[in-house]
Amino acid sequence: QEHLVESGGGVVQPGRSLRLSCAASGFTFSIFGMHWVRQAPGKGLEWVAAISYDGSNKYYADFVEGRFTISRDNSKNTLYLQMNSLRAEDTAVYHCAKDQGVVVPLPISQGMDVWGRGTAVTVSS
Amino acid sequence: DVQMTQSPSSLSASVGDRVTITCRASQGIGNYLGWYQQKPGKLPKLLIYSASTLQSGVPSRFSGSGSGTDFTLAINSLQPEDVGTYYCQNFISAPLTFGGGTKVEIK
Repeated sequence: QEHLVESGGGVVQPGRSLRLSCAASGFTFSIFGMHWVRQAPGKGLEWVAAISYDGSNKYYADFVEGRFTISRDNSKNTLYLQMNSLRAEDTAVYHCAKDQGVVVPLPISQGMDVWGRGTAVTVSS
Repeated sequence: DVQMTQSPSSLSASVGDRVTITCRASQGIGNYLGWYQQKPGKLPKLLIYSASTLQSGVPSRFSGSGSGTDFTLAINSLQPEDVGTYYCQNFISAPLTFGGGTKVEIK
């Protein structure tokens, strides 16, 4: 069964950094693009970033403004999100999600068919 | 960037009603659009991709249509388990923006 488990969230002061991880299992991680999506309490879904199946292409939401970096290690079946210069407005649950397109050239997506339960990030002084 | 605008932001309908939700893209995206359902306290679930292709396992009362800038999600014969928030998403152009969501309730 396809499964994604995020970790690395927590409470952090504004301006500090966090690194989120997403461990994948139950599918061939190296042939699917991956996404990070966040959801602030009581708010809608917000796409954060995506990375192609081989890590060669990366895309970000405008609000990232160079602060976040998405990466992956296909040998470890793990997706990462390095978040620097965190702001209060980055407070949210961060989900990783698998794109169902096989070897699809991102940013073109075929939809996110597997979602992790998320890891909570709180940015507060 | 492609902006996705959903309407209405919320709706209340009776069991058995046909419900429609619209999503408008700020520029043409062909049929590169998807719809998600998020039930209260649950993870989002992909319902439709390529504007009109039903994801495996999704009940046939859900359907999608449209291309270019205007898209519609329809729920034929609304069921109590359909309560939740529905989101459209641009699938072609980064940033892969979501619409603001439409909350569906039972009257």
